[in-house]
Amino acid sequence: ELKVEQNPLFLSMQEGKNYTIYCNYSTTSDRLYWYRQDPGKSLESLFVLLSNGAVKQEGRLMASLDTKARLSTLHITAAVHDLSATYFCAVLNTGNQFYFGTGTSLTVIP
Amino acid sequence: EAQVTQNPRYLITVTGKKLTVTCSQNMNHEYMSWYRQDPGLGLRQIYYSMNVEVTDKGDVPEGYKVSRKEKRNFPLILESPSPNQTSLYFCASPSAGEDTYNEQFFGPGTRLTVL
Repeated sequence: ELKVEQNPLFLSMQEGKNYTIYCNYSTTSDRLYWYRQDPGKSLESLFVLLSNGAVKQEGRLMASLDTKARLSTLHITAAVHDLSATYFCAVLNTGNQFYFGTGTSLTVIP
Repeated sequence: EAQVTQNPRYLITVTGKKLTVTCSQNMNHEYMSWYRQDPGLGLRQIYYSMNVEVTDKGDVPEGYKVSRKEKRNFPLILESPSPNQTSLYFCASPSAGEDTYNEQFFGPGTRLTVL
């Protein structure tokens, strides 16, 4: 069974600061996804990373994938309050089954 | 507008009373799946379907059934619900890329309480 671990689980950061969320997974995969969930809402897709070394950026968020290390990172630059949400990474295995991490709850403090 | 719809959004029921949660997508996607979300556990895939009449077990299929008779619909059936199935359920459908799947669209969620 594929395991996906995110850390930290909870993150409180000040506006304007930078931080990184880590997503480790246990078996070989080159298909990694990041999602955002606002409180009481559904999930929305942020990034799709489909190869080793893939890097995607949208606004203050940048995601990268290192398939050899089985690691993806979500980097937050100069955080703003609007980024407060829970972020999930997910991995697609060779059987086309999605495995999600437990999520990182981010709170950006003014 | 591309969307995944689920019904009902909220449901309170009692142990053993059969229920169905419907899911429909308007994007002509082949892949559809059901997840449950529980605090501290993230999302766990219950069942998925890669095409009509093809369904596969996910991580936590016990106590659930699904069917895929049409491309757009993928209902989740709880034949005899139990309190441990109290959870937030999401239906989702990713777009297909070259040899993989891309952006995944999620429904609004169904909050189920089993008493």
